[in-house]
Amino acid sequence: NAGVTQTPKFQVLKTGQSMTLQCAQDMNHNSMYWYRQDPGMGLRLIYYSASEGTTDKGEVPNGYNVSRLNKREFSLRLESAAPSQTSVYFCASREKQGGNTIYFGEGSWLTVV
Amino acid sequence: EDKVVQSPLSLVVHEGDTVTLNCSYEVTNFRSLLWYKQEKKAPTFLFMLTSSGIEKKSGRLSSILDKKELFSILNITATQTGDSAVYLCAEGPSGTYKYIFGTGTRLKVLA
Repeated sequence: NAGVTQTPKFQVLKTGQSMTLQCAQDMNHNSMYWYRQDPGMGLRLIYYSASEGTTDKGEVPNGYNVSRLNKREFSLRLESAAPSQTSVYFCASREKQGGNTIYFGEGSWLTVV
Repeated sequence: EDKVVQSPLSLVVHEGDTVTLNCSYEVTNFRSLLWYKQEKKAPTFLFMLTSSGIEKKSGRLSSILDKKELFSILNITATQTGDSAVYLCAEGPSGTYKYIFGTGTRLKVLA
């Protein structure tokens, strides 16, 4: 049971380049999340998806787009990367309706130069 | 504004010591309080505390929730170097999905 899997684990981008972070979960969870984690700021929600076909903005959505391809997969796209998007990105999924625990992927370290 | 505050920000102890990490919260509609341990990678789930489950224990780790005073503590007894990590607490989910995370307590256990 792999849980939540993210790719890539590390990436260096030039300003203005685009890329997509991939996330998949095999726990049959409905809800999925993308967070970024920056020193001193904790985990901040970028986007959320309650179920296949639905997505909602979180605290810091600017500069990002998401796609909930199916129940398993939730991707995060940076259309035109900026140095301010240098961060660690975590995908997470939540237990079925009524469950409160969220489970995280191993993270994607992104540097924009 | 809903918020979660953790203290201390960082802590250095020696193996065998007991530590207490604090998490206070101010939220409109409390659902649950979660604790995670984060080493170099993903936060891993430790405990969830709710109105119906205000004390949890697993080995050397234990946690309590005080709903009256709006805080939770995480205790680690007989600390080991493997306990070195950032410990995160979070409240949620509020509404249908939102979790509020604290900024974490960085614990370093010296041999």
